[in-house]
Amino acid sequence: SQELEQSPQSLIVQEGKNLTINCTSSKTLYGLYWYKQKYGEGLIFLMMLQKGGEEKSHEKITAKLDEKKQQSSLHITASQPSHAGIYLCGAPAYSGGGADGLTFGKGTHLIIQP
Amino acid sequence: ETGVTQSPTHLIKTRGQQVTLRCSSQSGHNTVSWYQQALGQGPQFIFQYYREEENGRGNFPPRFSGLQFPNYSSELNVNALELDDSALYLCASSPGTGWGGTEAFFGQGTRLTVV
Repeated sequence: SQELEQSPQSLIVQEGKNLTINCTSSKTLYGLYWYKQKYGEGLIFLMMLQKGGEEKSHEKITAKLDEKKQQSSLHITASQPSHAGIYLCGAPAYSGGGADGLTFGKGTHLIIQP
Repeated sequence: ETGVTQSPTHLIKTRGQQVTLRCSSQSGHNTVSWYQQALGQGPQFIFQYYREEENGRGNFPPRFSGLQFPNYSSELNVNALELDDSALYLCASSPGTGWGGTEAFFGQGTRLTVV
């Protein structure tokens, strides 16, 4: 079965600093979803990547999927208090039309210090 | 605003009881899936429905069951509740047949506490 490992598990960053969160898969990724979660709340969709080498950006957040499609990174530039939360990566088990839901990593807890 | 609504937001049940959680998906989203998230863990896939039929299931016992209705609403039913069932339950909807390259949106979750 597929496993996703996220690193670091937790991160404390001073406001205004850049940071990177990594997600590594034990198998080839057929898609990679990034979500943000406030403690005890639902998941907020950030980005979805599918192709090797793909990179997407939204506001100050950039996500990349490596060429081998086994690792993804999420980079935040000039962090703000609103970026605080838990970041989760999730991946489908199969390519296209998978009916086995998403496998998630355990999440990265991000704290922004003023 | 994801367009996915779950109810109730919080629930307390006694061990052995049965519970029904509800989810209202975005219009046009034919796929709905349910997840269980224990404290400090990532969400775990329970099962998935496509056009009112279950088409995928994770490693959960049969006492976890579900329904999907034509009006894009769905239910998660859990029988014979156990203390370990205490968790945040999330539903997600997407327009495609699964997770093949389409965006997928989650509800805000239902916090279930079993005492």
